[in-house]
Amino acid sequence: GESVGLHLPTLSVQEGDNSIINCAYSNSASDYFIWYKQESGKGPQFIIDIRSNMDKRQGQRVTVLLNKTVKHLSLQIAATQPGDSAVYFCAGTSGTYKYIFGTGTRLKVLA
Amino acid sequence: EPEVTQTPSHQVTQMGQEVILRCVPISNHLYFYWYRQILGQKVEFLVSFYNNEISEKSEIFDDQFSVERPDGSNFTLKIRSTKLEDSAMYFCASSREGARELFFGEGSRLTVL
Repeated sequence: GESVGLHLPTLSVQEGDNSIINCAYSNSASDYFIWYKQESGKGPQFIIDIRSNMDKRQGQRVTVLLNKTVKHLSLQIAATQPGDSAVYFCAGTSGTYKYIFGTGTRLKVLA
Repeated sequence: EPEVTQTPSHQVTQMGQEVILRCVPISNHLYFYWYRQILGQKVEFLVSFYNNEISEKSEIFDDQFSVERPDGSNFTLKIRSTKLEDSAMYFCASSREGARELFFGEGSRLTVL
């Protein structure tokens, strides 16, 4: 079935280092992807999105890369801060509002 | 900053009881959604709602579930006869016309005993 998955359940990085969180998806028809951040006890919070006609999009301290050939997404966080500690989800959709979420990667920022 | 609000934040209920979870989407949004997240698992789509009708639903959203927009501001999810496996965090979300970004509420935790 359709899935969006993540390679690693937990990622630990030193404060100030860059973080890279990866995500794979199975549906080649997916045309829009979002990265969400979820802090403990809260709802998913939008970070950045990318359409399938792009391969890179940059925001403030975050960059999303999309490789449609291998159906892979990554989220790069520059100069990781303690406030970045959270679970990160990628979610994709193929033209509808039904988003398929991955299982999430927990990012731990070490002081 | 406008946000999606949900009530209650936590509800404990007995198996077989009816539960209504409430959401107030962002005021100028026209698309509404319910997602759920079982503890430690991924966020799962339940249903999307537009123009006073369901536009899409998942296999999870069976006859025990229903959604309603009873007035101009609220959007509700009803579970008619709760089961133990309905225990989860339920998230409401909304989006603007022509936009694909979903804005999520803080969630309602449902515990079925």
